[in-house]
Amino acid sequence: GEDVEQSLFLSVREGDSSVINCTYTDSSSTYLYWYKQEPGAGLQLLTYIFSNMDMKQDQRLTVLLNKKDKHLSLRIADTQTGDSAIYFCAGDSGNTPLVFGKGTRLSVIA
Amino acid sequence: SQTIHQWPATLVQPVGSPLSLECTVEGTSNPNLYWYRQAAGRGLQLLFYSVGIGQISSEVPQNLSASRPQDRQFILSSKKLLLSDSGFYLCAWMVPYSYEQYFGPGTRLTVT
Repeated sequence: GEDVEQSLFLSVREGDSSVINCTYTDSSSTYLYWYKQEPGAGLQLLTYIFSNMDMKQDQRLTVLLNKKDKHLSLRIADTQTGDSAIYFCAGDSGNTPLVFGKGTRLSVIA
Repeated sequence: SQTIHQWPATLVQPVGSPLSLECTVEGTSNPNLYWYRQAAGRGLQLLFYSVGIGQISSEVPQNLSASRPQDRQFILSSKKLLLSDSGFYLCAWMVPYSYEQYFGPGTRLTVT
């Protein structure tokens, strides 16, 4: 089955770019996802990328997918204090539940 | 538009007491439904998922159970809570094969 790994912590200064990385094992994943969780709240779907794409951009968010290395990244441009949260990478294996990484806690320093 | 509700938002229960958490989804039919637990603000552990009324798959053996009495209702239960059941419980739904999964606001359970 799918296994998803993420680094646990990232700290950046306000205004800098943040890059959150994720590796996955199942090369047959059709979609890969990024979710954001603010303190005490549920998970919010930020973006997802279809496996035949290399890049997807949505305002300040850029998702890069390297299928050969099974590596996914989320870049947040001009990081703000409101971006402080836990970010989860997830992959799918068909119509079975998504497999989530353990989450990367992003801290933004003013 | 679709919305997902969970209640209660917070719950404090003594060890050995029963539990019932409810999740309902509006604005969609025949969704896949999921229960996750998140301990100490970290990773998500899938507990149960359901692809239809009365169809429950259990991912982790434990003293919890789930039921789906109606198409858009998913209930998490326990007959006797343990201290280790404390955590943040999240319900989620997905339109089958849509590849987009959405989460509810969560229930914070503290077992004392």
